[in-house]
Amino acid sequence: TQLLEQSPQFLSIQEGENLTVYCNSSSVFSSLQWYRQEPGEGPVLLVTVVTGGEVKKLKRLTFQFGDARKDSSLHITAAQPGDTGLYLCAGNTQGGSEKLVFGKGTKLTVNP
Amino acid sequence: KAGVTQTPRYLIKTRGQQVTLSCSPISGHRSVSWYQQTPGQGLQFLFEYFSETQRNKGNFPGRFSGRQFSNSRSEMNVSTLELGDSALYLCASSSWVGYEQYFGPGTRLTVT
Repeated sequence: TQLLEQSPQFLSIQEGENLTVYCNSSSVFSSLQWYRQEPGEGPVLLVTVVTGGEVKKLKRLTFQFGDARKDSSLHITAAQPGDTGLYLCAGNTQGGSEKLVFGKGTKLTVNP
Repeated sequence: KAGVTQTPRYLIKTRGQQVTLSCSPISGHRSVSWYQQTPGQGLQFLFEYFSETQRNKGNFPGRFSGRQFSNSRSEMNVSTLELGDSALYLCASSSWVGYEQYFGPGTRLTVT
């Protein structure tokens, strides 16, 4: 069972466009992380959100954690070719073994 | 501070053989997790070690095993390799179980 659903699975846009990717679940997470992975490399941590409703900004990237801590979104403003990569969300499950669960990712291509 | 290192970076093995992959975590990190990444299945959790003890385990057959040493370095072993084991194997370290993951560059395993 996939606990974290990411959408869209693939996204191809032109440089300068805005985009939003989503990470949804029926489970509640104590925290949620976003990673970006470039081809041939390991994922790199972008941000961690902890509080329901929390919004964090990283330059042109805006991350939001849902009020109920079941979903999150990543918005990129004025996308650049350097934003190309696989964006993964990962949730830390509550009340148990503190296991980290990853979504399958959104593959973003920004064309110059 | 040096990042997570994995050796070897690339490996080609024949079906039926076994393989051992190595991971050195970030200094001070006591938790090491292993993941298998394939285009079809995404990032799948194999197991997590903390202070030489396996804390969490994914849904993989017993052919996949791991261990962690007293210096937090970890190894992963796959016995009786199958073609479907071809994948990128990623190691990640963190300061605590289930916390933010810092990934290595991965080992690309090809089984022929």
